Amino acid sequence: NAGVMQNPRHLVRRRGQEARLRCSPMKGHSHVYWYRQLPEEGLKFMVYLQKENIIDESGMPKERFSAEFPKEGPSILRIQQVVRGDSAAYFCASSTEGRGNQPQHFGDGTRLSIL
Amino acid sequence: AQSVTQLGSHVSVSEGALVLLRCNYSSSVPPYLFWYVQYPNQGLQLLLKYTSAATLVKGINGFEAEFKKSETSFHLTKPSAHMSDAAEYFCAVSSLSGGYQKVTFGTGTKLQVIP
Repeated sequence: NAGVMQNPRHLVRRRGQEARLRCSPMKGHSHVYWYRQLPEEGLKFMVYLQKENIIDESGMPKERFSAEFPKEGPSILRIQQVVRGDSAAYFCASSTEGRGNQPQHFGDGTRLSIL
Repeated sequence: AQSVTQLGSHVSVSEGALVLLRCNYSSSVPPYLFWYVQYPNQGLQLLLKYTSAATLVKGINGFEAEFKKSETSFHLTKPSAHMSDAAEYFCAVSSLSGGYQKVTFGTGTKLQVIP
């Protein structure tokens, strides 16, 4: 199955630690999107990347959060010095191109819990 | 700017009854519209998409949606609800902004199917 793969599925961190979330897009997809989902709040866009480039990071907090999509390997969402408010489900999606008419394909998410 | 409004965060229907989930959008350019379904602890799965071809779009699992430009709506329907339809449904609008795809999701509607 060549779907979007996210790992880990569940991640527990203590306040102040770092969290690294990984996303391997579908085969042939070069566009990656990260979303955060809180209960009763729907999906919130965080960042949109293409290989080696950040295209739109308007939804990502300026501090502690960063994202990359290197030439080789998965996309990484990194949260430094985590706080309780970072607890959420983080979803990655990928698409073939960014022309608007292509659906995004989602992974099953990483559920981050902060102790 | 674009936005999506899903009326009703929770909808309950009896098994075998009509399912109607409402979605209204706003977009300054011709939009592409999508419906996704999310089952517990999973990512979003594409149900159907409108990309400016036929205004009545048929999707998986017996769902369909009609694009009505005059009403800026893209409501999701299914003639007869099944227990397995219980899930959360998200409407999304996509358009080109600044040369790349921008997707905005609604806050979701949880569908409960009563036996």
